[in-house]
Amino acid sequence: AQSVSQHNHHVILSEAASLELGCNYSYGGTVNLFWYVQYPGQHLQLLLKYFSGDPLVKGIKGFEAEFIKSKFSFNLRKPSVQWSDTAEYFCAVNAQNSGGYQKVTFGIGTKLQVIP
Amino acid sequence: DVKVTQSSRYLVKRTGEKVFLECVQDMDHENMFWYRQDPGLGLRLIYFSYDVKMKEKGDIPEGYSVSREKKERFSLILESASTNQTSMYLCASRLQGPREKLFFGSGTQLSVL
Repeated sequence: AQSVSQHNHHVILSEAASLELGCNYSYGGTVNLFWYVQYPGQHLQLLLKYFSGDPLVKGIKGFEAEFIKSKFSFNLRKPSVQWSDTAEYFCAVNAQNSGGYQKVTFGIGTKLQVIP
Repeated sequence: DVKVTQSSRYLVKRTGEKVFLECVQDMDHENMFWYRQDPGLGLRLIYFSYDVKMKEKGDIPEGYSVSREKKERFSLILESASTNQTSMYLCASRLQGPREKLFFGSGTQLSVL
């Protein structure tokens, strides 16, 4: 069964600090990988995704993530965070289940608090 | 943009009641999902559906059932609500293909007393 692990549950940074949030997944086959973000009081929305090709993908608001197949990882990065990045970040995996249907599994999320 | 509408924002029910949570999407998506979101546990998949009348169990289906009689509507049913089902319930609709992503509803905060 597929699973997603996020290592940092609560991260506190000062503005302009660099960010890296860890994500590892468990699945032996082909996966599509995602980072979603939930700003306070808002819906979950897509930040970026990886399907194939260049393992370094860029998303909205200056975020990027690198897919490292050998490590089953898809870490999220941002060189310089802003107060408006305060949110909860979820890593997700889309992979086929035993019935052949694609299901989307999320990690437990990382709460990021950026201090002005 | 895609709209995913959940019928109730807040719901309070009593233990043992049968509870229906409704979700409607307006973009003719085939795939729809129900998650529950709990602090420290993230989003956990309850059930998903790939077409009308088709359903698949997610990771935590116990105590829940679903109904997909029409493509746009995916209902989550708590047959006999219990206090441990107090949670935020999120419905999502999936756009497939190269532009794949999930569109989420605003959620239903269910409290079971």
